[in-house]
Amino acid sequence: GQNIDQPTEMTATEGAIVQINCTYQTSGFNGLFWYQQHAGEAPTFLSYNVLDGLEEKGRFSSFLSRSKGYSYLLLKELQMKDSASYLCAVRDSNYQLIWGAGTKLIIKP
Amino acid sequence: DGGITQSPKYLFRKEGQNVTLSCEQNLNHDAMYWYRQDPGQGLRLIYYSQIVNDFQKGDIAEGYSVSREKKESFPLTVTSAQKNPTAFYLCASSIAETGAYEQYFGPGTRLTVT
Repeated sequence: GQNIDQPTEMTATEGAIVQINCTYQTSGFNGLFWYQQHAGEAPTFLSYNVLDGLEEKGRFSSFLSRSKGYSYLLLKELQMKDSASYLCAVRDSNYQLIWGAGTKLIIKP
Repeated sequence: DGGITQSPKYLFRKEGQNVTLSCEQNLNHDAMYWYRQDPGQGLRLIYYSQIVNDFQKGDIAEGYSVSREKKESFPLTVTSAQKNPTAFYLCASSIAETGAYEQYFGPGTRLTVT
């Protein structure tokens, strides 16, 4: 079966750095997406990785290792508004997105 | 401003009634999707459409139906056959299924069936 694993919840301090991990087992791989979702709202796109390595976009970076079936989202200089759920999704061989259950990130002052 | 609209934001229905959720996009995207989100679970695909007048079942299509008569519109009907319809429903669109094209999401409709 297809599976995406992420920690259920993480806590971090304002101004700090946090890394959210995602491991996947899917039938084929055609890219990995990270989305942010505030409670009760729609997911919004953060990053896309299809090749191994690090993609940096401002305070957010995303890393991919296809051989290990592993990705992480790195958030720097955390702000209170970063409190949200972070969703990892993998596009499989049929070009459908398989979604993880999300990681709820709690930022404390 | 381009985007996706879903209406209504909250919907309440009695068991046994069919209900239709609206989804409209003005992004000129070919592909549209319907997902269901339940607490503690990832988004699950209900139906998707890559082109007008064509759509395919996703992983949990039973008890749901869709139509795609216009490029901009992809309504979802939750029928009385859906065993557990209470959930948060999200509509999304993208330029295409392949490539580095992300899906854009509407604000969602929270459906409660009692």
